[in-house]
Amino acid sequence: AQSVTQPDIHITVSEGASLELRCNYSYGATPYLFWYVQSPGQGLQLLLKYFSGDTLVQGIKGFEAEFKRSQSSFNLRKPSVHWSDAAEYFCAVAPTGGTSYGKLTFGQGTILTVHP
Amino acid sequence: DGGITQSPKYLFRKEGQNVTLSCEQNLNHDAMYWYRQDPGQGLRLIYYSQIVNDFQKGDIAEGYSVSREKKESFPLTVTSAQKNPTAFYLCASIGRDRGLAAGNTIYFGEGSWLTVV
Repeated sequence: AQSVTQPDIHITVSEGASLELRCNYSYGATPYLFWYVQSPGQGLQLLLKYFSGDTLVQGIKGFEAEFKRSQSSFNLRKPSVHWSDAAEYFCAVAPTGGTSYGKLTFGQGTILTVHP
Repeated sequence: DGGITQSPKYLFRKEGQNVTLSCEQNLNHDAMYWYRQDPGQGLRLIYYSQIVNDFQKGDIAEGYSVSREKKESFPLTVTSAQKNPTAFYLCASIGRDRGLAAGNTIYFGEGSWLTVV
């Protein structure tokens, strides 16, 4: 069974500082990989996704993520954080092939706090 | 605009009562999903349906039931058998004919808060 680990439950950064949120997954092959962001009491918004090809993926709001097969990682980065980036971030994987599309497995989430 | 609508946003349930959460989508998606979110645990899959009149249990289906009589609707009933129903519930959907491999995006609703009183 697939699993996702986000080692950091809570991260605090200063506005303008760089950000990296970690995500490691366990899966027999390369899964589909996603990063979602959630504001309090709201649904999930897709930041970016990796299916294949270039391992550096660009997303919305200035975020990017790099897929590293050798490390089974898909870390999310942003060069300069804005106060509006404060939210909870979820890494998720979905199996490739078959009829299991949409059956996402989520990490526990990382809460991002941004200090002015 | 196309999207997923969940209702109600907030719902209170008394002990022993069944309640139903609504999920409607106008995206013409075949596959729909229900997730439960608890603090510090991410989201967990309750039930999913890939086609009308068919649905499958997810990882935490006990105490829940669903139906899929129409393509656009996938209601979730939280039964009295669910001993700890207080949570945030999210509905999602994706087009089945193309799926993730074709680059489709999974869409999420805005969620419903269920509290036991």
